[in-house]
Amino acid sequence: DGGITQSPKYLFRKEGQNVTLSCEQNLNHDAMYWYRQDPGQGLRLIYYSQIVNDFQKGDIAEGYSVSREKKESFPLTVTSAQKNPTAFYLCASSEGGPGEQYFGPGTRLTVT
Amino acid sequence: QKEVEQNSGPLSVPEGAIASLNCTYSDRGSQSFFWYRQYSGKSPELIMSIYSNGDKEDGRFTAQLNKASQYVSLLIRDSQPSDSATYLCAVNGLTGGGNKLTFGTGTQLKVEL
Repeated sequence: DGGITQSPKYLFRKEGQNVTLSCEQNLNHDAMYWYRQDPGQGLRLIYYSQIVNDFQKGDIAEGYSVSREKKESFPLTVTSAQKNPTAFYLCASSEGGPGEQYFGPGTRLTVT
Repeated sequence: QKEVEQNSGPLSVPEGAIASLNCTYSDRGSQSFFWYRQYSGKSPELIMSIYSNGDKEDGRFTAQLNKASQYVSLLIRDSQPSDSATYLCAVNGLTGGGNKLTFGTGTQLKVEL
């Protein structure tokens, strides 16, 4: 089955720790994205990558880092510099261009 | 002013009725428009995409786009309780264009028995 997987589904961390969220897709999509969703707010773009070994900051990149070493993988690291990391993190992919984006199931991160 | 604006709702409709969801956007250069459905605690699911003015129908769903007035709407015919969810409008082409989608905050739809 083609799709996007994110792991883990739930993640708990102590304040001050870095944490890496996994995102893998087997749709052969060129572009991948990371969003965060907070209650009462729309999805906000953190980082995106349109091609392997290249990525750009989104609207709220501070405190986050990414890599794109393989076409199918786009991990997101939430660093200790992110002031409010508790959120629902969503990974998406698309073929590229102004077309449709498809989402993975998400990772719910709680930092205490 | 928000770039993509939706009424947060909740919008309540009786089962079998037509639900009408609306979205306005600020960037006249926007090229593509999407509706996602999101159930509570789940990720968004793409249900409609529309790229040109007019109507696009897919089953019980119709997307309508009016670029001159900068709005896009979603009609759901014969609404079912399973349609109860938050509907997100997304627009491509804002803030520099490319593949970046900007989302509204969503409209919560409740279909009542």
